[in-house]
Amino acid sequence: SQQGEEDPQALSIQEGENATMNCSYKTSINNLQWYRQNSGRGLVHLILIRSNEREKHSGRLRVTLDTSKKSSSLLITASRAADTASYFCATALYGNKLVFGAGTILRVKS
Amino acid sequence: DAGVIQSPRHEVTEMGQEVTLRCKPISGHDYLFWYRQTMMRGLELLIYFNNNVPIDDSGMPEDRFSAKMPNASFSTLKIQPSEPRDSAVYFCASSLGAIVNTEAFFGQGTRLTVV
Repeated sequence: SQQGEEDPQALSIQEGENATMNCSYKTSINNLQWYRQNSGRGLVHLILIRSNEREKHSGRLRVTLDTSKKSSSLLITASRAADTASYFCATALYGNKLVFGAGTILRVKS
Repeated sequence: DAGVIQSPRHEVTEMGQEVTLRCKPISGHDYLFWYRQTMMRGLELLIYFNNNVPIDDSGMPEDRFSAKMPNASFSTLKIQPSEPRDSAVYFCASSLGAIVNTEAFFGQGTRLTVV
């Protein structure tokens, strides 16, 4: 069964707007990672946030983690058409397993 | 480095045939993972290796699936015999160190179609 569940399943926004995707998980984690997958391609790592961190930034990406609520969010600011992709959260469980959620499909319209 | 390299990119085979998927991890990476992606089940971890040794194969769906890593630069995932429900995209990924400490690098995947 999947550990993480993303919300929403799909998101359509205009270029320049911000996009927020949420992820909830079930069990204790060591870290949480976000990946992007362009259509027909492999997954690309975006950002890793450890269980003792609350917020992390990378360029136009901002990730938050709330371990008490077992949830994380990914914010993409000033979105571009090139950000159109599927975004997955993945939880690194003790035992060295990286378990992925179902993903959010983001479409940025130009 | 060229990244994680998978071959073939596409494979179409008939039910009952043996299928072998190949993966070359990033040089120096000591962990290798095999995932399967389908619309219905998403990304599933099948098996992972550490220093060429299989550590956890609990995600391998059936005895028809087997994986090997004969050396640090090569791994195979074999399905014998293949069935239509095995149709999926299979990804190989590698990491430098345990995934609890670092990220995984994915290959481009092999799209398998079993007819």
